[in-house]
Amino acid sequence: SYVLTQPPSVSVAPGQTARITCGGNNIGSKSVHWYQQKPGQAPVLVVYDDSDRPSGIPERFSGSNSGNTATLTISRVEAGDEADYYCQVWDSSSDPLYVFGTGTKVTVL
Amino acid sequence: QVTLKESGPVLVKPTETLTLTCTVSGFSLSNARMGVSWIRQPPGKALEWLAHIFSNDEKSYSTSLKSRLTISKDTSKSQVVLTMTNMDPVDTATYYCARGAPSSGRFDYWGQGTLVTVSS
Repeated sequence: SYVLTQPPSVSVAPGQTARITCGGNNIGSKSVHWYQQKPGQAPVLVVYDDSDRPSGIPERFSGSNSGNTATLTISRVEAGDEADYYCQVWDSSSDPLYVFGTGTKVTVL
Repeated sequence: QVTLKESGPVLVKPTETLTLTCTVSGFSLSNARMGVSWIRQPPGKALEWLAHIFSNDEKSYSTSLKSRLTISKDTSKSQVVLTMTNMDPVDTATYYCARGAPSSGRFDYWGQGTLVTVSS
């Protein structure tokens, strides 16, 4: 089955840039979505279709996807960005249909 | 506005069958290409997709749990039901339902989740 690999943790100082990678075989051919999950809360979609943002999500959140790696970039990191982040793909021709990444804990120093 | 809410038992015994209900509002389960998934998260662990049902009643299941899962919907009640048989303590998790947006497979709205503990 398809596997999405993320680094377990990323640490970043306030105001700096955090980059979270999501590795998967030829992931560049798929649409990648990113979710933010704060403790005790449900996940929230922050980037979809590689680089689009839902309404209400700050422009500081951006995404890219090429080759075997997708990346979520959080610019000008704030304390409120501290959370777990998950990538996710969907492939109508694969089994399982939906796959989540292993998750990355972002710590704001 | 779109909302989803999970309901079901908070505690089940090993070997029992779990039945969870997701009640949705703000959209119809018959909307073309719309669907609802169940996703779970054991304490301190990652999200795991379980099952999905589309507007045309097509269903898809996690490969590893397929034999234990059944997903169904009642469009008139705006409900999606998940049953999981032969529950085990390792199935202890928060169970979420989420709306699957058409075409790209993103989950744009999530329920608050419900914690299910499996213990005798």
